[in-house]
Parts: sequence; C-alpha cells; structure tokens
Amino acid sequence: DTAVSQTPKYLVTQMGNDKSIKCEQNLGHDTMYWYKQDSKKFLKIMFSYNNKELIINETVPNRFSPKSPDKAHLNLHINSLELGDSAVYFCASSSMADTEAFFGQGTRLTVV
Amino acid sequence: GQQVMQIPQYQHVQEGEDFTTYCNSSTTLSNIQWYKQRPGGHPVFLIQLVKSGEVKKQKRLTFQFGEAKKNSSLHITATQTTDVGTYFCVTNFGNEKLTFGTGTRLTIIP
Repeated sequence: DTAVSQTPKYLVTQMGNDKSIKCEQNLGHDTMYWYKQDSKKFLKIMFSYNNKELIINETVPNRFSPKSPDKAHLNLHINSLELGDSAVYFCASSSMADTEAFFGQGTRLTVV
Repeated sequence: GQQVMQIPQYQHVQEGEDFTTYCNSSTTLSNIQWYKQRPGGHPVFLIQLVKSGEVKKQKRLTFQFGEAKKNSSLHITATQTTDVGTYFCVTNFGNEKLTFGTGTRLTIIP
C-alpha cells in the first residue's frame, strides 16, 4: 500500500491549459505539502496544509490553487500553464512539521 | 528568507572512497533531517538530529549536528554504487515550513 500517492506521474500539456495533480496519503498525517523541484534539483516548498487549513503559501503565483477536501487529500490545480511551470511536483505528508516527511513519487509536468 | 546551504553542490568519487556533505545555516536550528533522493526518485527520510553535538550512525553513514546547532554533516564511508543520489539536509526553522538545503549530488565512479 503506497503511503503517499500522486497522480498522474507524467503530464504533458500545452501552454495556457489548466491541469490538476492529485495527492492522497493513507498515513493519518495532519500536515501535507506541495514542493516544486526544478531542473537543478532544488526543492522549494509551495504550500503547507495542516488539517485542511492553509498554513504556508510561499510566494507562488495565484495560478496555483491547492485544495484540501479532507486531511488525507491535497490537490494542486494550475491555471494558464506557462513554460516555466515545467518541473517535478512532489506531494508530501508528515504528522507534524518537525517529524519525518513521506513523499509521493512525483509528477513530471512538461509544458510545451 | 531563511536558507540552508550545502556544500559541495556536486561530488564525484571513486567507489570505495569516502564522501562528506556539509549543511550550514546562519540561524540556530531546532532540528535537522537528512533525505536521500535517488536519480528519478523521490526524497526518502534518512534520519533526524535534535541535540547539540549529536552523532548518529547508520551502517556506513555518520550524521553529526554541530555544537551550536547551526551546521550538520553526513559522512559516508567506503562508498558503493547504491549511494548514488542527491543528499538533502532539511529543517523547519521552528515553523510549519520544511525547508530543503540546496543538496549535494553524489556520483560514483565504479
């Protein structure tokens, strides 16, 4: 049973489109995150949710809108995709901010 | 913003050689975590350090937390091809934000 699962694993889309990435964790964790990993492998936090509430929004364009329908799910919707949005997006969860985080397999987004 | 710098950014070692990556912060850290990301994979938790001067070992891996809790290191003895990947130190600066260091990418020459 996968602890943190993301779908899809790969996403190729044209500029200007809207797309969503889904994330689910079955660990019973209260905190979930979205990270963006660029081509240089830097991992930057985008959002942090605790028990369905937004805690951190890290200067991300408002084209990116996270949604947490319940504490086991944190989806990421992206409007009007741009070339610079191409990256690998990771979802993660932890029981608290200072405990081990579990990552999903990542979604490789390519905007053409 | 608060950052955690890692050096070196890249390291190529002959198989069997040792490897060390260093993590530095300008502010005191409440804790430090280390993660490994294999090529094409996702970050996987290795360990967490909390106490000043703490040293922990996992087989060939030795993790240290500085006395001032501003730096940390990961040392791998006698590297193997399975050690290939990017190693990240991670902290939360006492808030809800898990901040990743810049990472050290290790490649092994067989």
